[in-house]
Amino acid sequence: AAGVIQSPRHLIKEKRETATLKCYPIPRHDTVYWYQQGPGQDPQFLISFYEKMQSDKGSIPDRFSAQQFSDYHSELNMSSLELGDSALYFCASSLIGTIYFGEGSWLTVV
Amino acid sequence: AQSVTQLDSHVSVSEGTPVLLRCNYSSSYSPSLFWYVQHPNKGLQLLLKYTSAATLVKGINGFEAEFKKSETSFHLTKPSAHMSDAAEYFCVVGSGGSNYKLTFGKGTLLTVNP
Repeated sequence: AAGVIQSPRHLIKEKRETATLKCYPIPRHDTVYWYQQGPGQDPQFLISFYEKMQSDKGSIPDRFSAQQFSDYHSELNMSSLELGDSALYFCASSLIGTIYFGEGSWLTVV
Repeated sequence: AQSVTQLDSHVSVSEGTPVLLRCNYSSSYSPSLFWYVQHPNKGLQLLLKYTSAATLVKGINGFEAEFKKSETSFHLTKPSAHMSDAAEYFCVVGSGGSNYKLTFGKGTLLTVNP
């Protein structure tokens, strides 16, 4: 069965650079979520989209933005990167309430 | 508002013995409850889900959880631990209607000793 696909799986950026993470949800899923998991932490909700419209916003910094495109894939854009942005970023998708996560994208800021 | 409390940050068991990972929740809505497992350097895998049908939910890999509304608990159990069960386990509550989202517990690290 198709799963949530995230790319890239690993990314290394320098401070003040910009990074873009991509997410391809499970086909026919109508909601996409982004979560951030710092080292040894539980995942923190960043933002979600329902049918390509932003539906909810969590603890997402102003330096971050996200959107969902007409083909339902989503991108998380992170600018002016800080060392504290180093984390595992999960994308998830859902249909009727069960949320499935991708393998995550590891971002390291040096 | 919703929240999840995982009562143990670390549980250590011997292979072949029972596993109990404890979770309490609070939610303003009728919640959906989940357990996810995360193996080292891996993504989050759904173990099982409760959505107001049967209170005893069976999941993958021999895990099950029982929803107890009076105790606001959703503890995860397995009769016999296997070495491959060693991982981080997250209890998660989902609710919110059109703004459906998940709230994670802090996680319980399960160690399985040979």
